Amino acid sequence: QVQLVQSGAEVKKPGSSVKISCKASGGTFSRYAISWVRQAPGQGLEWMGGIIPTFGTPKYAQKFQGRVTISADESSSTAYMELNSLRSDDTAVYYCAREAAPLIYYYMDVWGTGTTVTVSS
Amino acid sequence: EIVLTQSPGTLSLSPGERATLSCRASQSVSTSSLAWYQQKPGQAPRLLIYVASVRATGIPDRFSGSGSGTDFTLTISRLEPEDFALYFCQQYGSSPITFGQGTKLEIK
Repeated sequence: QVQLVQSGAEVKKPGSSVKISCKASGGTFSRYAISWVRQAPGQGLEWMGGIIPTFGTPKYAQKFQGRVTISADESSSTAYMELNSLRSDDTAVYYCAREAAPLIYYYMDVWGTGTTVTVSS
Repeated sequence: EIVLTQSPGTLSLSPGERATLSCRASQSVSTSSLAWYQQKPGQAPRLLIYVASVRATGIPDRFSGSGSGTDFTLTISRLEPEDFALYFCQQYGSSPITFGQGTKLEIK
């Protein structure tokens, strides 16, 4: 059974950066895309982008292009998401999630534990 | 990008009743690449349905999905107390992946 464990909550100042990790255990890591999805307080889900670790090339939603960097380390089965130039409206819970089929962006059958990021001066 | 509009925003029903949630896409969703998720407060979303109508592992058969093209429906045949939660639809047939804004299913 695959599990995704994320790094802990972060409090950041506007204009700074945050980097969140997502460590997979119990299954195959490299062939399955990991997506990053965020949820602002009381809001819906927003796909930010993802990466298929064995390919290494990330894919980003246009809204976040230029401000987000998604990467993966196959040796440690860990994916990362770094968001720069933080604003107050980046305050959200950030989830990593694994796609249900290999080598494709798909529906997500395993979700991470979530990381709360608070951006406040 | 494909915009998904869920209705109603909030649905108030009693246990034992039938719930019908709608998800409408701004353009056709290819190969019925639509999923439904349930989310409870403080928890990550849980996959319920994929390919519009296939129940995920361990999902009770009171949950069913239907639809194609631009109109999709999640039906819960007889509501149990644990079903009151937030529900999202997601399309994954076109890039970028998009989600609906959610339907809150609350106890009447």
